[in-house]
Amino acid sequence: GNSVTQMEGPVTLSEEAFLTINCTYTATGYPSLFWYVQYPGEGLQLLLKATKADDKGSNKGFEATYRKETTSFHLEKGSVQVSDSAVYFCALNSGYSTLTFGKGTMLLVSP
Amino acid sequence: DTAVSQTPKYLVTQMGNDKSIKCEQNLGHDTMYWYKQDSKKFLKIMFSYNNKELIINETVPNRFSPKSPDKAHLNLHINSLELGDSAVYFCASSQDSNRNEKLFFGSGTQLSVL
Repeated sequence: GNSVTQMEGPVTLSEEAFLTINCTYTATGYPSLFWYVQYPGEGLQLLLKATKADDKGSNKGFEATYRKETTSFHLEKGSVQVSDSAVYFCALNSGYSTLTFGKGTMLLVSP
Repeated sequence: DTAVSQTPKYLVTQMGNDKSIKCEQNLGHDTMYWYKQDSKKFLKIMFSYNNKELIINETVPNRFSPKSPDKAHLNLHINSLELGDSAVYFCASSQDSNRNEKLFFGSGTQLSVL
């Protein structure tokens, strides 16, 4: 079956630090990959996506590259801000069901 | 205009009661979902409807019954509430059930069963 594994949080960084949140997946077929973000008290919002191998998704300074050979979709940002503090979810959809989410990684950015 | 709206935002109730959570989307989407998020933030699909037809029904107790009167609405009714039902429930929608589709989420209903 499908599964997504994310690094455990919380990830605690100072403002302007470099961010990496690791995500690996197991899936049948050729999944599409997503990162969603959940700010406190809100629902999830799509941050970025990639639909085939070697695609790079990017948005708001965040990037992730679909790596089929390592079954990974790591999230990166060069310089985080306090406003990036949130829970980040890696997810996949292989077309046989709806999204399968990872367990989420909380990011805390301090000034 | 809120794209996916769910009510109530907070729901506190006693064990054994029956309650409903309503969801409406004004995006013209064909597919709607219910997700459950536990205290550790883990998200799990419960149900998915496409054009009012049930397409996904995960292993959810039959005390949970979704109802879709039209494709803009997907309500969740829960009978005989239990302590373990306490969680945040999210409604979501997408244009269709294509694997590339972006999901739009409501802001959640925090259910507390006492």
